[in-house]
Amino acid sequence: KQEVTQIPAALSVPEGENLVLNCSFTDSAIYNLQWFRQDPGKGLTSLLLIQSSQREQTSGRLNASLDKSSGRSTLYIAASQPGDSATYLCAVPLISGNTPLVFGKGTRLSVIA
Amino acid sequence: GAVVSQHPSWVICKSGTSVKIECRSLDFQATTMFWYRQFPKQSLMLMATSNEGSKATYEQGVEKDKFLINHASLTLSTLTVTSAHPEDSSFYICSAMDTGRGYEQYFGPGTRLTVT
Repeated sequence: KQEVTQIPAALSVPEGENLVLNCSFTDSAIYNLQWFRQDPGKGLTSLLLIQSSQREQTSGRLNASLDKSSGRSTLYIAASQPGDSATYLCAVPLISGNTPLVFGKGTRLSVIA
Repeated sequence: GAVVSQHPSWVICKSGTSVKIECRSLDFQATTMFWYRQFPKQSLMLMATSNEGSKATYEQGVEKDKFLINHASLTLSTLTVTSAHPEDSSFYICSAMDTGRGYEQYFGPGTRLTVT
C-alpha cells in the first residue's frame, strides 16, 4: 500500500530564505509525482508534475526533484516571499497514472515579512 | 493550466436534506474524475472514482447510497449527499484527469458543506 510522508509538518522562515520541503513514498514504482499548494479553505493548485522518467522540474522559483529509487522528492523554494505561505502537498498515483492520488499530510509554510 | 470548476463553493443545509455538488472540466474532457473529502487540518481522503458512462467505484467505508455519484458526460460529474447529517460537514474537492497531459490531475476549488 502506497503511503506518502511529508516533513516537516510545519515550517516558519523569514522572507528571502531558500527552503526545502521533503516528501517520501513507500512504493518506488510510481508513475509520476505532483506537488500542490493549498491556501486555507481553498482547493488545490498544481505546482509541478514530475514524470517517473524525470529527475526534476522547475517553475519560476520552484524546483522539484525526484529520486525514485530512494522514494524521495524535494520541493525547493528560492527567495521565499510572504505570498508563499500555504500548505504544500505531495501526492503520487495509487497504482498507475490513471488512478487517484495518495496525499501526504502536507507541510504548512509560513513566510514572515 | 487546465481548469476544473465546482459548484456551489459553499452550502449550508439542514439535517435530512440532500445536496448536489457539481464538478466540471472546463477545457478538457475527463473520462475519470475523483471525489475527495478533507476534514479540518487533515489531508485529502479519496471517497470515490467517477468514470464516465459507468458506475462509480467507492472506497471502503464510503456509503454509495449516501454519496451518489453520476458522471453523465465527459465534462461533468456530480456528487449528491443524501439525507445529510452534521457529521457530513466537510470540504469536498473533485479532481479531473487530463490524459493528454501525462495524467496530471487538476483540482476544483472545493465545496464547503455545513449541515446544521
